[in-house]
Amino acid sequence: GAGVSQSPSNKVTEKGKDVELRCDPISGHTALYWYRQRLGQGLEFLIYFQGNSAPDKSGLPSDRFSAERTGESVSTLTIQRTQQEDSAVYLCASSFGGTLYGYTFGSGTRLTVV
Amino acid sequence: GQQLNQSPQSMFIQEGEDVSMNCTSSSIFNTWLWYKQDPGEGPVLLIALYKAGELTSNGRLTAQFGITRKDSFLNISASIPSDVGIYFCAGQEFNQAGTALIFGKGTTLSVSS
Repeated sequence: GAGVSQSPSNKVTEKGKDVELRCDPISGHTALYWYRQRLGQGLEFLIYFQGNSAPDKSGLPSDRFSAERTGESVSTLTIQRTQQEDSAVYLCASSFGGTLYGYTFGSGTRLTVV
Repeated sequence: GQQLNQSPQSMFIQEGEDVSMNCTSSSIFNTWLWYKQDPGEGPVLLIALYKAGELTSNGRLTAQFGITRKDSFLNISASIPSDVGIYFCAGQEFNQAGTALIFGKGTTLSVSS
């Protein structure tokens, strides 16, 4: 597609449930990034994919968080046993050639854990 | 990990005024970028800087890559209501090719007409 697409745009879930967030990057973009943005805060790096591999997972806050990418395209961020502190906007970005050209962001998934 | 210090945290200005915000790091960066985020949207790239001392303009926006490679600033001239939003600096540390961008905490700009 023309831009980075994320779904769902909003998700309300009960504490303890698992959630899956999806990102469709721009076609041909080899790099894909996940960031978390808590209310009124900056962007917190979670994980980065180059192709289908994740050379940097250093930002994943706990083992409840995991992500995968298939076909050098779609990526899924999974949060297991959600907690209230997981409530945030989860932003996905893609780029062609790493950081040199900046990232194109999706509109994000707003996750609310109640 | 590396933190970027972005200031001011928020600004309230009148339409037509000029705005300046800046970002500093504790280590050398080889890339500085400035993004704007509108409510409910993802950040959008405004300006990218790749060389120390580089000064780049995009319409009413001007950004500079500091000579020390540890800072950058963004100026907005003659602000208009649609400039409202959150502005983020971002960068990549020197010798950290292949790592993700680090973002500042943002400057929230409010413009009254």
